[in-house]
Amino acid sequence: EPEVTQTPSHQVTQMGQEVILRCVPISNHLYFYWYRQILGQKVEFLVSFYNNEISEKSEIFDDQFSVERPDGSNFTLKIRSTKLEDSAMYFCASMGGRTDTQYFGPGTRLTVL
Amino acid sequence: GEDVEQSLFLSVREGDSSVINCTYTDSSSTYLYWYKQEPGAGLQLLTYIFSNMDMKQDQRLTVLLNKKDKHLSLRIADTQTGDSAIYFCAEDNAGNMLTFGGGTRLMVKP
Repeated sequence: EPEVTQTPSHQVTQMGQEVILRCVPISNHLYFYWYRQILGQKVEFLVSFYNNEISEKSEIFDDQFSVERPDGSNFTLKIRSTKLEDSAMYFCASMGGRTDTQYFGPGTRLTVL
Repeated sequence: GEDVEQSLFLSVREGDSSVINCTYTDSSSTYLYWYKQEPGAGLQLLTYIFSNMDMKQDQRLTVLLNKKDKHLSLRIADTQTGDSAIYFCAEDNAGNMLTFGGGTRLMVKP
């Protein structure tokens, strides 16, 4: 069964460093998402991406964040200058069509020291 | 904005039924979802219900939707120790972003 994959599973970085989290969505899917879950808190929407552009973003998704689909398979989330409060589990999701359901990857645990 | 609320914790004995409840505020939701998260793992889609349905059954899982009260429930029949996990309900909006509840930790005692 096709699935969303994410790399790395765990990333440790120093405050102020840039990180890139990678996702490979399900191959024929058209809609892509990033969510995050700070330890012990709700899963929060960050951004949605369709047709090579951001379709919606939350207040969390400020200028430090960017997303890209550099080729036909990868979908990346970049955090330009990480802060301690960026430490969280980051989930990628993809969806085939507008009325489809979202399928989540296993997540990348980001730890900012 | 949209809000989704769940109780924090549920404990049941193996073989009993579990009922996990969720309330939501967005009456324009198209789908409502239940996801399962095991320790250290990602979000596994368990089941979902279209907003014009009242009930959906899928093997041991039964989802009930009361649109008037904006109440969603997940019933797990014959709960097993492998069902121990955190269960999240979520609703979508017109933009397809999901709004999640805080999760209900289900503990199944042997």
